[in-house]
Amino acid sequence: DTAVSQTPKYLVTQMGNDKSIKCEQNLGHDTMYWYKQDSKKFLKIMFSYNNKELIINETVPNRFSPKSPDKAHLNLHINSLELGDSAVYFCASSQAGTGINEQYFGPGTRLTVT
Amino acid sequence: KQEVTQIPAALSVPEGENLVLNCSFTDSAIYNLQWFRQDPGKGLTSLLLIQSSQREQTSGRLNASLDKSSGRSTLYIAASQPGDSATYLCAVRDYNDYKLSFGAGTTVTVRA
Repeated sequence: DTAVSQTPKYLVTQMGNDKSIKCEQNLGHDTMYWYKQDSKKFLKIMFSYNNKELIINETVPNRFSPKSPDKAHLNLHINSLELGDSAVYFCASSQAGTGINEQYFGPGTRLTVT
Repeated sequence: KQEVTQIPAALSVPEGENLVLNCSFTDSAIYNLQWFRQDPGKGLTSLLLIQSSQREQTSGRLNASLDKSSGRSTLYIAASQPGDSATYLCAVRDYNDYKLSFGAGTTVTVRA
């Protein structure tokens, strides 16, 4: 039943490690997003893929690398984790184009870097 | 660059009172505007989406209005209940973009 799912839900790791977060949507959407919610609860776009092609790449350190193996999946890999990467990462999806384009969000992955 | 502001940042009301949450945005060339609800430690639940050509949307006790020319949207929640306690986020999609630009949210507490 889950429309947009993310794994893991919680991730605790040490500085310098490399980690990945996975996202899957079963809505048949063609566009997927990664957003970051910082400690002040402010949500900001990081990346977006449309039909497996990168269409949005905000000012994000190149330690962050998204990968979209197919339209239903968008993974986020983070190299050399830093304390400031601690945040909640949300995946979202929508059907782009001239339609309603409502975005649906996953439950979030809380990343804690120690 | 689109800037989205939500006022007030926090709101506490007694049960039964109507809630009025405000959202303003700087660039009126929007495609749509979404209101979300976020419970502590949880994801975002979409409440209402208003297309740029619409003036309002309603769902149950929720009503959202949009005045694109003045860059404002208001979310009304009628007859508030303790279960309405959450953070409400306003997000705007610009006309030539896919991403959502979010406000910082309004945290609502409804006292029983």
